[in-house]
Amino acid sequence: EAQVTQNPRYLITVTGKKLTVTCSQNMNHEYMSWYRQDPGLGLRQIYYSMNVEVTDKGDVPEGYKVSRKEKRNFPLILESPSPNQTSLYFCASSSSNGAQPQHFGDGTRLSIL
Amino acid sequence: LAKTTQPISMDSYEGQEVNITCSHNNIATNDYITWYQQFPSQGPRFIIQGYKTKVTNEVASLFIPADRKSSTLSLPRVSLSDTAVYYCLVGSPYTGGFKTIFGAGTRLFVKA
Repeated sequence: EAQVTQNPRYLITVTGKKLTVTCSQNMNHEYMSWYRQDPGLGLRQIYYSMNVEVTDKGDVPEGYKVSRKEKRNFPLILESPSPNQTSLYFCASSSSNGAQPQHFGDGTRLSIL
Repeated sequence: LAKTTQPISMDSYEGQEVNITCSHNNIATNDYITWYQQFPSQGPRFIIQGYKTKVTNEVASLFIPADRKSSTLSLPRVSLSDTAVYYCLVGSPYTGGFKTIFGAGTRLFVKA
């Protein structure tokens, strides 16, 4: 079954404690992306990756890092999380770029105290 | 990236046809129009994509006029389970289009 898998689904942590949210897809997609969703602000793109070792900033990259060492994985790293990064995060993938239909994961709800 | 404009919200009743219009005045020649549906606390789900005229699948229809400056997502005979946020996106699947802008979407509320 075609899937985008995010882990963890829920996390409560404290300010400054580094965390990683993993994302994996099994569709051999080239394009992967991270979004955050906050009430009233819709979905905003954090980072995207066009292929292995190729990443670029979306609209809200501050405070986040990503890496794409393998095609299937695209982890989101918060080196020093802060309360304003409390949000619902989604990972997505598509065959070639963001205009191709994107498959989304189930989301990760992060609470940073 | 072409900017899109959608109504913030719409109400409907079960069994009615719902049409959600999206404006994209600056759409480029290579751009396609894509619609997603999102339920609360779930990731968006692809509904339909089109370039011109009309596209239909088992879920919805997409109407695109000749000038392509707008598009209309048509949901036939909606049910309570169609209550969701619907997003319209514009971009080229074949050239560029790596950055994605979802916008605020249209919140559809279906009443019994």
